[in-house]
Amino acid sequence: DAEITQSPRHKITETGRQVTLACHQTWNHNNMFWYRQDLGHGLRLIHYSYGVQDTNKGEVSDGYSVSRSNTEDLPLTLESAASSQTSVYFCASSDLERGAFFGQGTRLTVV
Amino acid sequence: GEDVEQSLFLSVREGDSSVINCTYTDSSSTYLYWYKQEPGAGLQLLTYIFSNMDMKQDQRLTVLLNKKDKHLSLRIADTQTGDSAIYFCAETPGGTYKYIFGTGTRLKVLA
Repeated sequence: DAEITQSPRHKITETGRQVTLACHQTWNHNNMFWYRQDLGHGLRLIHYSYGVQDTNKGEVSDGYSVSRSNTEDLPLTLESAASSQTSVYFCASSDLERGAFFGQGTRLTVV
Repeated sequence: GEDVEQSLFLSVREGDSSVINCTYTDSSSTYLYWYKQEPGAGLQLLTYIFSNMDMKQDQRLTVLLNKKDKHLSLRIADTQTGDSAIYFCAETPGGTYKYIFGTGTRLKVLA
């Protein structure tokens, strides 16, 4: 069965370190997304991609970057982790009509 | 900018109907979605409605769409304890392939 997987599921890192969260999908979807989920804010869009070599900023992109070198993967990099980036991160891929399919999430703690 | 709005909490008794409301922002959204999130899990697509429809029914779920007021609702008939979760609505503004989520409504079902 097709799926979308995130790794790691949990990570603790120190302020100032670079961190990369992995996202891999086997749906063969062109569209992929990264969201963060924080209490009181719902899900906020960080970055998204409509295909290989395409990346776009979402509403909360500062301090984050993505790259899309193939259809299956969209890694999210925190250039210099800050405590404000402590959150749960969700990756998703989509077919517009059928909606977005989400990974299980990565809980990131920046200390 | 404007936010997709949802009330934060809803409490119902088992067997009653639940109605979760959402006010979205972009009248040109092509599809509107309802997602369910159980504790510690990612988001699961429940149902969606195309913008040229007023209503969609899927077993215990009924979605109503009022485009004039940009109002979307999800009715769950015969609500069960397993329906306790956070429910998110999402829009696809400007017919784009990105999903903007509401803040989520936490549904608690009392036995």
